[in-house]
Amino acid sequence: QKEVEQDPGPLSVPEGAIVSLNCTYSNSAFQYFMWYRQYSRKGPELLMYTYSSGNKEDGRFTAQVDKSSKYISLFIRDSQPSDSATYLCAMTGTGGGNKLTFGTGTQLKVEL
Amino acid sequence: GAGVSQTPSNKVTEKGKYVELRCDPISGHTALYWYRQSLGQGPEFLIYFQGTGAADDSGLPNDRFFAVRPEGSVSTLKIQRTERGDSAVYLCASSLSFSSTDTQYFGPGTRLTVL
Repeated sequence: QKEVEQDPGPLSVPEGAIVSLNCTYSNSAFQYFMWYRQYSRKGPELLMYTYSSGNKEDGRFTAQVDKSSKYISLFIRDSQPSDSATYLCAMTGTGGGNKLTFGTGTQLKVEL
Repeated sequence: GAGVSQTPSNKVTEKGKYVELRCDPISGHTALYWYRQSLGQGPEFLIYFQGTGAADDSGLPNDRFFAVRPEGSVSTLKIQRTERGDSAVYLCASSLSFSSTDTQYFGPGTRLTVL
């Protein structure tokens, strides 16, 4: 079983929809949680970073962490065709170093 | 400013050959990471450097893989006796330090194809 589970999709939604992306994890040592966006044939770019349980909002994006359930989410409001990409959750612990453990990635397509 | 750059962008080689993949991190970043991303998967950690030394190489799959960062800036990932299973995108990332709170900035990757 992988340490981080993420539904690979693909997920197709109409423009303007609210998108919900999720990951579950098994390692209690994970303390820092990130969402990266990756366009085709590009490197991942950081979208959101959270440390504690709760919500963090940045524009159309909201990241949610529930450490008790080992479950993290990313919500995208008013989705746009330019949001079409693969969304990767990533996490790391506090044991020194910063090696990230990624989910499989969810492929999202926002259709006109 | 300039981001992380990787060369070559694509590399096609034959089974059994030796390849080198290069990473130029963001200037001033002391931590450098290598990940491997297979088709339809998320990146998997290979190795990271703090300065010139490899601080954690636990992700290297076997002794055919080796990486160096002799002057604490540019890094080279070396793969000996390549196998078809090594085909993947090799991603490099850098961060200001190795703190868990520092953002890792990724390069575009090198797409390695072993025929």
